[in-house]
Amino acid sequence: DIVMTQTPLSLSVTPGQPASISCKSSQSLLHSDGKTYLYWYLQKPGQPPQLLIYEVSNRFSGVPDRFSGSGSGTDFTLKISRVEAEDVGVYYCMQSIQLPLTFGPGTKVDIK
Amino acid sequence: EVQLVESGGGLVQPGGSLRLSCAASGFTFSSYSMNWVRQAPGKGLEWVSYISSSSSTIYYADSVKGRFTISRDNAKNSLYLQMNSLRAEDTAVYYCARGGKAAPGDLWGRGTLVTVSS
Repeated sequence: DIVMTQTPLSLSVTPGQPASISCKSSQSLLHSDGKTYLYWYLQKPGQPPQLLIYEVSNRFSGVPDRFSGSGSGTDFTLKISRVEAEDVGVYYCMQSIQLPLTFGPGTKVDIK
Repeated sequence: EVQLVESGGGLVQPGGSLRLSCAASGFTFSSYSMNWVRQAPGKGLEWVSYISSSSSTIYYADSVKGRFTISRDNAKNSLYLQMNSLRAEDTAVYYCARGGKAAPGDLWGRGTLVTVSS
């Protein structure tokens, strides 16, 4: 199975300041079709996960442009340019290049 | 409204069975693959099972293989998870998630809690 790791596991951010979360996979997520199957989800308190970013850097419908994703191969980053109060929750990276689908352990983001 | 609504969770004894349902609305259910993902209390996300739009392709996590069965009824816009031989470690909130063009989980239900305990 592909192991996904995230750092940090928790993050406390002042509103308006940037935040960055790293995700690493134990194998390359670059498929022979040219796509990289790495996703970012946010699970707000008491809610199901919601898709933020697909295929490394594509914002899903309705996701604010303060969220951005980057990376390649095995190293990926989610950045929030200016954290807002509504961004609190747990952020998960996930891979789908190989079954089983696997998630990172999650990064808990709260507001200072 | 585009949504997924899970049901069927509850308290069950070890070794027991439970059938979860996921009702889809607001989109063409038969065009999408579907997944079950679970989350143990206070823990992270674990993928459980996948079914293609036509039910022709099905996959399971090793942790549930041989005990759980995923199925769907496109005429009823519904997804199911039959869970047998339940164990304490199966205790979790079970989410159904739509496999969209963007991602394996572009739409999630609110989940249903399964508690396996004597």
